[in-house]
Amino acid sequence: EIVLTQSPGTLSLSPGERATFSCRASQSVSSGSLAWYQQKPGQAPRLLIYGASSRATGIPDRFSGSGSGTDFTLTISRLEPEDFAVYYCQHYGPSPLFTFGPGTNVDIK
Amino acid sequence: EMQLVESGGGLVQPGGSLRLSCAASGFTFSSYEMNWVRQAPGKGLEWISYIDTRGMGIYYADSVKGRFSISRDNAKNSLFLQMNSLRAEDTAVYYCARERSYGSTALFYYYMDVWGKGTTVTVSS
Repeated sequence: EIVLTQSPGTLSLSPGERATFSCRASQSVSSGSLAWYQQKPGQAPRLLIYGASSRATGIPDRFSGSGSGTDFTLTISRLEPEDFAVYYCQHYGPSPLFTFGPGTNVDIK
Repeated sequence: EMQLVESGGGLVQPGGSLRLSCAASGFTFSSYEMNWVRQAPGKGLEWISYIDTRGMGIYYADSVKGRFSISRDNAKNSLFLQMNSLRAEDTAVYYCARERSYGSTALFYYYMDVWGKGTTVTVSS
C-alpha cells in the first residue's frame, strides 16, 4: 500500500504570498495517478490538479502542480483570501483504490 | 450544471443500518464510474467504495468490506451505499464522487472531478 505524506501540516501565510507544499509517496507512482484537492470548512473537496500538473476546469492559473516519482508539489503563486483552506493530494493505486494524504492547512498569518 | 446530491444520513445506533443515496444530474450518469468517500469529524478524506458503469466491478476499503454494499440504478441516475453493522468509527460525512479514468498506455489519469455536498452519518447510542 502506498502512503502519502504531506508537508507542512500547517502553513501560515498572508494574502499575496506564495504557497508551496509537498506530497511525498512511499514509493514511485505514475504522475497520472496524482491529483490535488482543495477543501474549505463545511464544503466538499474540489478538484484542483490532476495528472500531477494539469489544472481542472475553472481553476485559476495561480495554482500549479509539478513533480514526478515520489515527490510532488502544489504551488499557489499569490494567495487570494479564498485560497485559505486544506489541500489534499490523492493517489490512485491498486489497493486501496484511492489514497489521500493527511492534508496541508493553509491559514491566515 | 453537473450535480450530485446525497441523502439518507442521520443518527443510528451501533449495529444499525442506513442506506445512502446519491442523485446525479447534468451529465450522463451511466457513463461514469462512481465512488463513495467519507470524512470523520476533524479528519482527512477516506475512500471507501467504487462501482463501475454497469455495477459489475465493485471495490471496498478494508474498513468497510463485508458491512457496506455499493450499487447503482442507471435508469434513475442514482448511486447507493447500504451500510450495515454500523460502528462509532463510521461516523462521518459521506460524499459521492464521479470518477474520471482515461488515457493511454503512456499515461493514464485517475481522479474525482464532481463531488456532492455530503450527508452526515452519526453512529451513537
